[in-house]
Amino acid sequence: SQQGEEDPQALSIQEGENATMNCSYKTSINNLQWYRQNSGRGLVHLILIRSNEREKHSGRLRVTLDTSKKSSSLLITASRAAGTASYFCATDAKEGGSEKLVFGKGTKLTVNP
Amino acid sequence: GAGVSQTPSNKVTEKGKYVELRCDPISGHTALYWYRQSLGQGPEFLIYFQGTGAADDSGLPNDRFFAVRPEGSVSTLKIQRTERGDSAVYLCASSWTGYNEQFFGPGTRLTVL
Repeated sequence: SQQGEEDPQALSIQEGENATMNCSYKTSINNLQWYRQNSGRGLVHLILIRSNEREKHSGRLRVTLDTSKKSSSLLITASRAAGTASYFCATDAKEGGSEKLVFGKGTKLTVNP
Repeated sequence: GAGVSQTPSNKVTEKGKYVELRCDPISGHTALYWYRQSLGQGPEFLIYFQGTGAADDSGLPNDRFFAVRPEGSVSTLKIQRTERGDSAVYLCASSWTGYNEQFFGPGTRLTVL
């Protein structure tokens, strides 16, 4: 089963605008990761935020994590056309000791030039 | 160094045939993961290895699926008596152990006719 749910399912913006995607999950976690996927093939790791962190930045990416609400957001500032892709959040599960990731269905972002 | 590599990139087979999919992880990564992704969905966990042993195989859908990692590096996912429902992109990832970033390969697109 898929633990994460990204919202919205699809997002269309103009180049230069900001894009915000949200993710909700169900169980306690160690980490939450965001990935980008172009053309339905390999996933590119964007950022990892640990359960004891509330916010993290990497370049034009800003990730927040609210463990009380079991939710995260990914903000991409000044989006570029090359950022058109699907974005997934993925969580591990603190219980059970497995390092497997559980993914949501993703947000499909279109950045129009 | 080189990223995760997967071979073949595409595999077309007939229903009932046996297939093997190969994954070469990033050198030195102790953990290796297999996921499967159907169109429009996020990746779904199949199995992961710590070294040579399967640490969690709870995602394997049935006993037609099997994976090995005999020397703690390269892994092979084996599917017997393939069915049309096995058609998907099979993704491999590797990481340092300890709930760290997982780095994905480009995937193998399996089509069962």
